[in-house]
Amino acid sequence: NAGVTQTPKFQVLKTGQSMTLQCAQDMNHEYMSWYRQDPGMGLRLIHYSVGAGITDQGEVPNGYNVSRSTTEDFPLRLLSAAPSQTSVYFCASSPTGTGRQPQHFGDGTRLSIL
Amino acid sequence: QQPVQSPQAVILREGEDAVINCSSSKALYSVHWYRQKHGEAPVFLMILLKGGEQKGHEKISASFNEKKQQSSLYLTASQLSYSGTYFCGTEVATNDYKLSFGAGTTVTVRA
Repeated sequence: NAGVTQTPKFQVLKTGQSMTLQCAQDMNHEYMSWYRQDPGMGLRLIHYSVGAGITDQGEVPNGYNVSRSTTEDFPLRLLSAAPSQTSVYFCASSPTGTGRQPQHFGDGTRLSIL
Repeated sequence: QQPVQSPQAVILREGEDAVINCSSSKALYSVHWYRQKHGEAPVFLMILLKGGEQKGHEKISASFNEKKQQSSLYLTASQLSYSGTYFCGTEVATNDYKLSFGAGTTVTVRA
C-alpha cells in the first residue's frame, strides 16, 4: 500500500526559482492538505482541499499556490522561492475532513533555499 | 491560533510515567494526538471529541476536558519506543477543515 507519496524527498533551490512539490494518494481520500514544519513551531497548515476543484487557504498561504484537478493529486507550487521557505513540507490526507478522522502523512520533502 | 503544549521536553527512564498537556484559548471540537520520530512523518495516535471522551492506545491514553479546552496525553510505564516528539492538533468547529498543531513535546526514554 503506497498511502501518501511525496516527491522529491530532498531539493535545493536558489532564491527566485520556482518549483512544484508533488503529493499523490491512492486511498480515494477527499481531503488533502499541505503543512510546513519548522524547528520549534510544529506543523503549520499552508493550503487544504476538501475535494477535486476545491481549495482554500490555511494559516500560512503566502508564497504558495495549489490546485486539485483530481482526487489523487494535490501539488504545491512555490512561485518565487525565498530563504524563509526553507522547511520540511508534509502532505496529508483523510477520507472526508479533519475532525473525526486521522490524518495520513507522507514522508515529507526537505527543501533548502539558498 | 496554535494550541500551547507543555512541557517542551521530558526525559524518562523506562517504566516511568509522563503527562503532556495541550491547551487552547478557543472552544474545541476535536483534539488529535500524533507522534513523530526524528526524520519521519507524524503518525496518528488518537482523536478525542467534544464530550470529555477518553481514549487509549496501548499504554498511551488521553483525556479531553471540554470546560478547560485542554487535553492531556498520558504515557504509562514508558518504553524505549515511546521516544519522539508528540504533537496535539486542534479543530475549533465541526467541518472547519483546519487542524492547528502545537509546537510539540520531545520525549526521551532512557534504559
